[in-house]
Order: sequence, then C-alpha cells, then structure tokens
Amino acid sequence: AQSVTQLGSHVSVSEGALVLLRCNYSSSVPPYLFWYVQYPNQGLQLLLKYTSAATLVKGINGFEAEFKKSETSFHLTKPSAHMSDAAEYFCAVSGRNTGFQKLVFGTGTRLLVSP
Amino acid sequence: NAGVMQNPRHLVRRRGQEARLRCSPMKGHSHVYWYRQLPEEGLKFMVYLQKENIIDESGMPKERFSAEFPKEGPSILRIQQVVRGDSAAYFCASSPTSGIEQYFGPGTRLTVT
Repeated sequence: AQSVTQLGSHVSVSEGALVLLRCNYSSSVPPYLFWYVQYPNQGLQLLLKYTSAATLVKGINGFEAEFKKSETSFHLTKPSAHMSDAAEYFCAVSGRNTGFQKLVFGTGTRLLVSP
Repeated sequence: NAGVMQNPRHLVRRRGQEARLRCSPMKGHSHVYWYRQLPEEGLKFMVYLQKENIIDESGMPKERFSAEFPKEGPSILRIQQVVRGDSAAYFCASSPTSGIEQYFGPGTRLTVT
C-alpha cells in the first residue's frame, strides 16, 4: 500500500525566506508524486508532479521539488516566500498502473508567511 | 475551457436528511473521482467512476453512501440519513481518458446540524 508522510503540520517563514515543505513516501513500486496547494475555501491546484526520470521538477509559482529515491522523499521548495504563498500544501502519491490512478494524500502542511 | 464544477458549494442538512452533491467534469473528461476531506485532515479517496460504471469504491463507507455517473449529466454523490460525522468537504476530480493528472473542483462543504 502507498502512503505519504508530511512532516510538520504548520511551517512559518518570513517573506523572502526559503520555503521547505517535507514529504516522504512509501511505495512498493516507483510512484508518481504530486504537490497540490489549497487556498482557503477553494479546491486543490496542482503545483507540480513527478512522473519521469527527471528528478528535479519545476512547477508553478516558483516552486520545485526533488525526487530522491534513496531517501524516499519529495520535498517542496521555493527560494523566496511571498505573502501569497500562504496556503495548505498537500503531497500525494499514486501508482504507475495504466488506467485508474487513485491519489493518496498526506495530511497537509499549512504554510504561514509573515511580513 | 471551464474547470470541474461542483454544486452546491455549501450544503446544510439536518441529521437524517439526504445530501446530494453534484460534479460536472471538465469537457472531454470521462473519469471522475470523489474525495472527502475531514476537518484538519488530508483528502481521502472515496470512489472512482467512468460513465455509467463504478470502477473502484474501496473508499466508500459501506452504508448510506452511493455514487453514480450517468451517461448524461453530472456525477452525483448521495448520502442518505446524514449524521454529524459526515460534515466535511467533498471534492470531485476528473481526468482525461488516459491522463494521470486529476483536476479538482472547488468542493462542496457539507454541514450536518
């Protein structure tokens, strides 16, 4: 069974500081990995996804994530936080089987950005 | 291209009533997924449907919950005899026939009083 662990339910940074949100996965087969962002009272928006051999994945809004198989990690980073980045971030994993792709989500990390 | 649409956005039901949540997938998408987000938790998969077929309902509670995706019209998630524990945000997602990327709707927030 696949699972995702997000370390830290809340992360606080100052505007302009580095953002690092941690995600570790467990999967018996090479997975697909995703980061989604959820703004208050809105649905989930895909930030980026890992589906291929390129281990460093660039997404929208200046975010990127690196797939490290040896560490079973897929941490999300952004060099410089902006106030508009304040939101909840979810890491998710799915299998590589053709057809059905059930997403298994972590419990989320709320990013707080202070001026 | 309109995104995934869900309605209503907010729904209040008294205990024992029925809740009907609707999801219209993106144009051209024939795969629909329902997820539930309980307060302070991540999303949990409930059911996966294609037109007129339930493909995987392994995440659906055994009783009171049902889902359908008819040939015409939106997908419906139906909760009978709602209880307080059903209060949550219910998200629908859709994907193209062969896609791995799921596009999420804005969700329906169900409150059971």
